[in-house]
Amino acid sequence: EDKVVQSPLSLVVHEGDTVTLNCSYEVTNFRSLLWYKQEKKAPTFLFMLTSSGIEKKSGRLSSILDKKELFSILNITATQTGDSAIYLCAVEAFQGAQKLVFGQGTRLTINP
Amino acid sequence: KAGVTQTPRYLIKTRGQQVTLSCSPISGHRSVSWYQQTPGQGLQFLFEYFSETQRNKGNFPGRFSGRQFSNSRSEMNVSTLELGDSALYLCASSPTGFETQYFGPGTRLLVL
Repeated sequence: EDKVVQSPLSLVVHEGDTVTLNCSYEVTNFRSLLWYKQEKKAPTFLFMLTSSGIEKKSGRLSSILDKKELFSILNITATQTGDSAIYLCAVEAFQGAQKLVFGQGTRLTINP
Repeated sequence: KAGVTQTPRYLIKTRGQQVTLSCSPISGHRSVSWYQQTPGQGLQFLFEYFSETQRNKGNFPGRFSGRQFSNSRSEMNVSTLELGDSALYLCASSPTGFETQYFGPGTRLLVL
């Protein structure tokens, strides 16, 4: 069964800290891994990763994929209170048709 | 550019009834995906439509169905509602597929 596991499930840090969120997966016919940020209701797309070792970066956020060890990390540097959200990892897999399998999410809280 | 809109925003139904939810994608987007989000199961992929054809499908029973119209608007139907169908239903649109999806605000369905 396809599985995506995120860790930690919850994280509380102080503003200015750097955080690393983890996502490991076991899926059939991996196509890509996606990261989302969910603050209120609608998730917001952050990154899509398809190749190992190539870092994707957007401001203070960056992410990298390791297809050999089957995981990805999302780094946030110099965290701000506005980074408080649930971060979701999803893997696109192919089994006759493509589907997205989501992890449980990591709830990140940034305290001032 | 207008975002993804979903109607209705809130809905209360009773067991055994059926429900139809609507999603209007961002203009020019041909891919519409539907998701179910519950506290217990997290975010789960239902299906994706592209140019009026169901292109991808998650692991949901046949009670969950959808369609897409020529203007890319999409509807999702759930028949014979069960208590466990109570959830936030999100739709997302994108020009091509899972990459760079924009999510709508969701429809919160309560089944009594």
